[in-house]
Amino acid sequence: QITLKESGPSLVKPRQTLTLTCTLSGFSLNTRGVGVGWIRQPPGKALEWLGLIYWDDDKRYNPSLKSRLTITKDTSKNQVVLSLNNMAPEDAATYYCAHRFLGGPNYFDYWGQGTLVIVSS
Amino acid sequence: DIQMTQSPSSVSASVGDRVTITCRASQGISNSLAWYQQKPGKAPKLLIYTASTLQSGVPSRFSGSGSGTDFTLTISSLQPEDFATYFCQQGYSLGTFGGGTKVEI
Repeated sequence: QITLKESGPSLVKPRQTLTLTCTLSGFSLNTRGVGVGWIRQPPGKALEWLGLIYWDDDKRYNPSLKSRLTITKDTSKNQVVLSLNNMAPEDAATYYCAHRFLGGPNYFDYWGQGTLVIVSS
Repeated sequence: DIQMTQSPSSVSASVGDRVTITCRASQGISNSLAWYQQKPGKAPKLLIYTASTLQSGVPSRFSGSGSGTDFTLTISSLQPEDFATYFCQQGYSLGTFGGGTKVEI
């Protein structure tokens, strides 16, 4: 059974770096073809695709965030980490990690519950 | 960057209605499109991938069509559990989402 769970701070100050951890269960990032993505959703708004990391450590980032965003993996802990620096109020959102669907390019078939991040001093 | 435009942004419907949602890509994406359903406070659920393939366990009243730049999601007979927000997502280049369509009573 595939599950993902996000963890991290619920409140960050402007200009700080947000670090979120996605803990994976039921699959491994050592397996060929596997990927984990990050998606965010401001309250009441649309989903935004942030980035994706693959089993071979290849990474893809949303160009609008590429200079601020880093996604890494720790296969020994079966975790994926998102780091987003220079946080601003417009970065407030629910952040989801998700399992890349093996039947398609960058779709997601299993999602974490999401974690709400507020940006405020 | 590929932009995805959904319409309408909301639709009022009744149980039993046929509902159609449209998604348009800013450039051709072949059939690299997925549809998701999201209920309040929950993560999205994958419904359809490669434009028209139903994900396992999704009821057959959901269907998708299209290729290139224009795509549709159709719910043939709306059920009470279908009231939700629907998003399209292109998988052709990275993974842009559409703005969402809220299906409400």
